[in-house]
Order: sequence, then C-alpha cells, then structure tokens
Amino acid sequence: DVKVTQSSRYLVKRTGEKVFLECVQDMDHENMFWYRQDPGLGLRLIYFSYDVKMKEKGDIPEGYSVSREKKERFSLILESASTNQTSMYLCASSLSVRVGAFFGQGTRLTVV
Amino acid sequence: SQQGEEDPQALSIQEGENATMNCSYKTSINNLQWYRQNSGRGLVHLILIRSNEREKHSGRLRVTLDTSKKSSSLLITASRAADTASYFCATVLMDSSYKLIFGSGTRLLVRP
Repeated sequence: DVKVTQSSRYLVKRTGEKVFLECVQDMDHENMFWYRQDPGLGLRLIYFSYDVKMKEKGDIPEGYSVSREKKERFSLILESASTNQTSMYLCASSLSVRVGAFFGQGTRLTVV
Repeated sequence: SQQGEEDPQALSIQEGENATMNCSYKTSINNLQWYRQNSGRGLVHLILIRSNEREKHSGRLRVTLDTSKKSSSLLITASRAADTASYFCATVLMDSSYKLIFGSGTRLLVRP
C-alpha cells in the first residue's frame, strides 16, 4: 500500500516563526501536492510539484514556499507564520492525476 | 474561487437509504474524482470518472458525469453508519494536467 507520511499530526508555533511541514511518500510518485483545509472552504491547493525541483503555484501560494529536492519528499515552508495560517494541512501524492491521489493523515497547525 | 461545488453541504439519512451528492464545476475537465474523509483524517480516493465516460460503478458507489451540464453525482446505495464522512469531488482540468482541484464537500450523516 502507498504510504504518505506527514511529519507531525499536531503543531503549535508562534507568530513570525519559520515553519517546516514535511511530507514523504514511498511509492515513487511523480506528483505531490500541499493543500490547506478550512471549515466551509474545502481543500485549497497551495503548491504542487510534478517532478524533482519542479514546483507550481496553486490557488493560495501567498505566505508559503515549497521544496522538492528528492522525489519522495515535499516540504511546505511558512516563511513567517501568521495566525491566519492556522489550519489543517494535507499532503498528497499521485503517480499521475489520471489516477487517484493518496493523502497523508494531515497536520493541524495552530499559530499563536 | 472553487472549481468544484458540492450540493448539498450536509445530508442526514437513515441507515439503508440511498445518499446522493452532487458536484458542479466551471471549466472543461480531463477527469473527475470522488474522495471520502473521515473526521479529522486524510482523504481516501473512491472513484475516478474520465471526461468521455458517463457512468461508473464501484461496489455500492455509482458515479455519473454530465459534461454538458458540468456536473457529477455520487450515489451511495444501502448506506451504512460507517459511510458517515465528508465527501469531496476533485477535478483535473483539461488545460493543466497536474492540478487536482477540490470542492467544498458534502457532510454525510448516516443514522443507525
């Protein structure tokens, strides 16, 4: 079975801190995605990557950056955390968007 | 703005009844996917329907796609309490082969 692992289940950070959210997949998938999920808004795409060192902005990239140095790892970086970035963050990977994606368990980030 | 919008936002039914959820989208798609999310967890891929398909079945799930109306429906037959979850549609756009865009979801409650 494909496994997508997010480094933390819960995280509390202070305003202004630099925050790293890590995601690792074990099935050699080309595509990886970062979403945030907020009540009533569904999942919104922050960034995605279709190959090592390749990244593209999603719908809400402001305040975030990403890194994909190795195929299996896709990191989401909050350069200077703010309270409006308090959210559930979900990582996903897929071999292709023509098949289904696999999701990690999510990281619930609280910025205080 | 969201590519996909689910309707209704919330649905409550009795065990054994059928549940129908609808998804509408705005631009041409390559495929449409349905996912389930149990409370506070990651999403699980249920079924994918391609733009040239009209109907697809998987166990108790039936998905239809009407590209002329830019809409899809997910039918869960003979629902069980374990089907209680949020259900999301996600689209892969025709003009961007890597983006996977989600709607806002339908919360389904199946009462025992």
